Amino acid sequence: DAKTTQPTSMDCAEGRAANLPCNHSTISGNEYVYWYRQIHSQGPQYIIHGLKNNETNEMASLIITEDRKSSTLILPHATLRDTAVYYCIVRPLGYSTLTFGKGTMLLVSP
Amino acid sequence: GAGVSQTPSNKVTEKGKYVELRCDPISGHTALYWYRQSLGQGPEFLIYFQGTGAADDSGLPNDRFFAVRPEGSVSTLKIQRTERGDSAVYLCASSLGDSYYNEQFFGPGTRLTVL
Repeated sequence: DAKTTQPTSMDCAEGRAANLPCNHSTISGNEYVYWYRQIHSQGPQYIIHGLKNNETNEMASLIITEDRKSSTLILPHATLRDTAVYYCIVRPLGYSTLTFGKGTMLLVSP
Repeated sequence: GAGVSQTPSNKVTEKGKYVELRCDPISGHTALYWYRQSLGQGPEFLIYFQGTGAADDSGLPNDRFFAVRPEGSVSTLKIQRTERGDSAVYLCASSLGDSYYNEQFFGPGTRLTVL
């Protein structure tokens, strides 16, 4: 599986956009980019996924570079409840399980 | 609706003992996954079921770990002769199917402490 690299931690002010980067320079053509987050003492929660086009849902936007070697998860208006560890995962088509790294700890402050 | 539930929420046991961890998936979800999360790490895959059968058990660390899902719903993760290194949060997830587009819904986990 392709490896991902994420910053260990990031800070964001409440109400501002949080932009979380992920590097996946060895990604293959049949591998999707997934984002999950884990709030303290809870199980991970699905956020969004994409292949090569940008994606948006009610939680976030996913921007994937044209060469697909990196992506950015955008939380448009971060709230205190968005404080969590965010995991960027590369998952091959047809592969059922998730391979988590250490993720990025996002701290949203007032 | 009800999400994935796991019992117990916390389990403390002594080295060498046997433990069972239970997972109740979302009703109708055919795929069920077990992960283990050590402190400061991301979850690590252990085993997954599609229906009653284990479709992939490549993540089980050794033969002390075993999981069952006899009726295709509830699953039990069993750990024999527990060791201190087994201490972790054990997470269960379920999804409608095991395709890449099926979102996995996670339970809150069982925190296992082996003394």
